[in-house]
Amino acid sequence: NAGVTQTPKFQVLKTGQSMTLQCAQDMNHEYMSWYRQDPGMGLRLIHYSVGAGITDQGEVPNGYNVSRSTTEDFPLRLLSAAPSQTSVYFCASRLGASSGANVLTFGAGSRLTVL
Amino acid sequence: DAKTTQPPSMDCAEGRAANLPCNHSTISGNEYVYWYRQIHSQGPQYIIHGLKNNETNEMASLIITEDRKSSTLILPHATLRDTAVYYCIVSTEEYSSASKIIFGSGTRLSIRP
Repeated sequence: NAGVTQTPKFQVLKTGQSMTLQCAQDMNHEYMSWYRQDPGMGLRLIHYSVGAGITDQGEVPNGYNVSRSTTEDFPLRLLSAAPSQTSVYFCASRLGASSGANVLTFGAGSRLTVL
Repeated sequence: DAKTTQPPSMDCAEGRAANLPCNHSTISGNEYVYWYRQIHSQGPQYIIHGLKNNETNEMASLIITEDRKSSTLILPHATLRDTAVYYCIVSTEEYSSASKIIFGSGTRLSIRP
């Protein structure tokens, strides 16, 4: 299994540009989420989804959009990049159903720099 | 806000047991305690989880107090490779919009030779 795949691994943007970070999982997980991690800090939840067609805001949603048209994919869109969005972005997924073992699986991360 | 409180940093001698505490005094009856760790800038990795009972796997042990308001992750024989940031989170198993998972700042564990 590939698990959670994030692309690109590295990206440099100029202020005001838009882009999409891709996240795909092949584990049939219902729940998917995006976190950002600034240097020396913990993970902060941006958006999450409990299933196709359902999304909700996390702790720091401003400046980001998400959609969930399929179970497998959960792209994160930066509408107009700002230097404050320079960070490492992690996508994570889990089964979502009551299973007693609802472990989050993380992607390798996407490092974004906004100049 | 995170539902858990952890010390920002700890250190432990190699070969000794590392005991990482976590306070989750507002935990609900249907919330599990999960532990993850993050080595360097990699994605966090699952370690262990539990609801009420103490749990053990090949990586660690999890001790949950009877009132469930706190827990301790135990790495029985710490090695240099256990140097990482350890996150304690609480999470419901229910499939609902209330299932967002919030990470705090974690505990940075340093293992000294």
